[in-house]
Amino acid sequence: AQTVTQSQPEMSVQEAETVTLSCTYDTSESDYYLFWYKQPPSRQMILVIRQEAYKQQNATENRFSVNFQKAAKSFSLKISDSQLGDAAMYFCAYRGGATNKLIFGTGTLLAVQP
Amino acid sequence: DTGVSQDPRHKITKRGQNVTFRCDPISEHNRLYWYRQTLGQGPEFLTYFQNEAQLEKSRLLSDRFSAERPKGSFSTLEIQRTEQGDSAMYLCASSPDTANYGYTFGSGTRLTVV
Repeated sequence: AQTVTQSQPEMSVQEAETVTLSCTYDTSESDYYLFWYKQPPSRQMILVIRQEAYKQQNATENRFSVNFQKAAKSFSLKISDSQLGDAAMYFCAYRGGATNKLIFGTGTLLAVQP
Repeated sequence: DTGVSQDPRHKITKRGQNVTFRCDPISEHNRLYWYRQTLGQGPEFLTYFQNEAQLEKSRLLSDRFSAERPKGSFSTLEIQRTEQGDSAMYLCASSPDTANYGYTFGSGTRLTVV
């Protein structure tokens, strides 16, 4: 079975600094997709960034980028120029190519210090 | 379109009572998902619909749980004879047929069983 592990329960970053959130996963599939979701307090989960496993190029969305290491099964999220609004729980998620369900990690709570 | 709507936002019920939650997906999305999220954990998959057909159910979905999506539009999740262990956030999400771009989540229904 596929699993997603986020080893950092909490992280903190100063405003305008850069932070990296870690995620590792375990799978025997070759075709899959990886996602980072943001869940602000008492608000809905929002898709931050996605990565197709067959693409070697790391995905980037404005201040958010990933470091996808397929051989190491690692999928970290880098947030540059952190803003107060980035404070949230961040979840890493995996979806196999032949299934429709997402498998989530336990999340990393990011605090942004002014 | 206002995104994925869930009703109610909060539900407090006594143990043994039945509860029903509703989810209205994005209108053009054929796929609808239910997840459960407990405190400190990532969302766990419960079930998935393609139009009105329920195509996959998790082992987490015991006999007390039932989900429907009549006419492929809104969906309901019913829990019969609630137990304290059912206390959680119940999340609904929808996606188009190509779910590679991730889901759109609703704000969730928080269930407290007392």
